[in-house]
Amino acid sequence: SQKIEQNSEALNIQEGKTATLTCNYTNYSPAYLQWYRQDPGRGPVFLLLIRENEKEKRKERLKVTFDTTLKQSLFHITASQPADSATYLCALPANQAGTALIFGKGTTLSVSS
Amino acid sequence: GAVVSQHPSRVICKSGTSVKIECRSLDFQATTMFWYRQFPKQSLMLMATSNEGSKATYEQGVEKDKFLINHASLTLSTLTVTSAHPEDSSFYICSATPQVGTNEKLFFGSGTQLSVL
Repeated sequence: SQKIEQNSEALNIQEGKTATLTCNYTNYSPAYLQWYRQDPGRGPVFLLLIRENEKEKRKERLKVTFDTTLKQSLFHITASQPADSATYLCALPANQAGTALIFGKGTTLSVSS
Repeated sequence: GAVVSQHPSRVICKSGTSVKIECRSLDFQATTMFWYRQFPKQSLMLMATSNEGSKATYEQGVEKDKFLINHASLTLSTLTVTSAHPEDSSFYICSATPQVGTNEKLFFGSGTQLSVL
């Protein structure tokens, strides 16, 4: 079955720098991959979706890449701000039928001023 | 954007009692809603897929008699934890999407922190 690995449990960076978070999957390449933001005690909030035929997707200061050869997605936040501090989750279909979504454990980003 | 409302946000109950959690899609109709559970510093684990007008589909290892799901309308799904025990203490989150038959771009409720004494 598909497994997701978000290798870094925590990432600490200074304000203004670019944060780069990694998501690796172990099995077949999914039709799409999603990134969510979760604040403590809250439900996740959808950020970006990238499809298997897309190499890169951008939204304001966010950029996501999808490398099906490496079985990896990178999530970048440029010009990071303290307000970006949160846990970021990678998610993708649990199976090729796409009937369920599985999530990684997340990477907790802390941006210091 | 689409809004999913979940109540209550926090509940403390005694062991052996039942707790009902409501999940409503406020500005869209949701044929399908999803229920997740999350333990501290762990990933969201899908418990079940709730389908309007039919029985829920439970993930392997989730007891359907313990976690009762009802999806009576296109905007409301409920999760009832029956005879709750301390090991059921967790963060329960529902999600839905306006798009039919897809898991793309899920909208999540704010979650319910259940503490069973």
